[in-house]
Amino acid sequence: GAGVSQSPSNKVTEKGKDVELRCDPISGHTALYWYRQSLGQGLEFLIYFQGNSAPDKSGLPSDRFSAERTGGSVSTLTIQRTQQEDSAVYLCASSLVPLDRRPSSYEQYFGPGTRLTVT
Amino acid sequence: TQLLEQSPQFLSIQEGENLTVYCNSSSVFSSLQWYRQEPGEGPVLLVTVVTGGEVKKLKRLTFQFGDARKDSSLHITAAQPGDTGLYLCAGGRYGGSQGNLIFGKGTKLSVKP
Repeated sequence: GAGVSQSPSNKVTEKGKDVELRCDPISGHTALYWYRQSLGQGLEFLIYFQGNSAPDKSGLPSDRFSAERTGGSVSTLTIQRTQQEDSAVYLCASSLVPLDRRPSSYEQYFGPGTRLTVT
Repeated sequence: TQLLEQSPQFLSIQEGENLTVYCNSSSVFSSLQWYRQEPGEGPVLLVTVVTGGEVKKLKRLTFQFGDARKDSSLHITAAQPGDTGLYLCAGGRYGGSQGNLIFGKGTKLSVKP
């Protein structure tokens, strides 16, 4: 089956513009995660969804960042008024039912990421 | 506060050498996962360990979960250039605010031919 897909793969935008990043999770995965990764660094957690709701939005860096998920599937991460410090790779991952205690429910499957460059 | 500490942060070795990377925490986890990320790609799950003291082998890679389920190690035997990448450990915590998985910052491994 298809894995997690993200689009676009690369995005170059001018400072101050808005951008939308899209994630298509694995079919049947009810949990979806967004991370940010600066060059060669670890993962910075942004937000996760259980179905269409996000239990905790405190990981979002500022109020310029927002995310939504509709139909329990596709998610979009929107960055308004982009700044140069927003330049990074944005990774999306999905997993099975997050409320299940089985170890397999913790396993996340990542997309290839969107490389965002703000000039 | 970093819940999962990985060490070393960087490691550069020659082909054929052995190496061990560590993932440590003061917290107990219900499971521990290791991922490898190659440049330009997303992390790929290598293994999940769930029982204290558990050892799993994946070809030349050996993963161990600490008895108290607070730490883990990854040992690579006879490293090859194809092992180059960022190795991330992640601890499973049921009901956590980050969706049940906490990531360490990673160990960047470079294996030179």
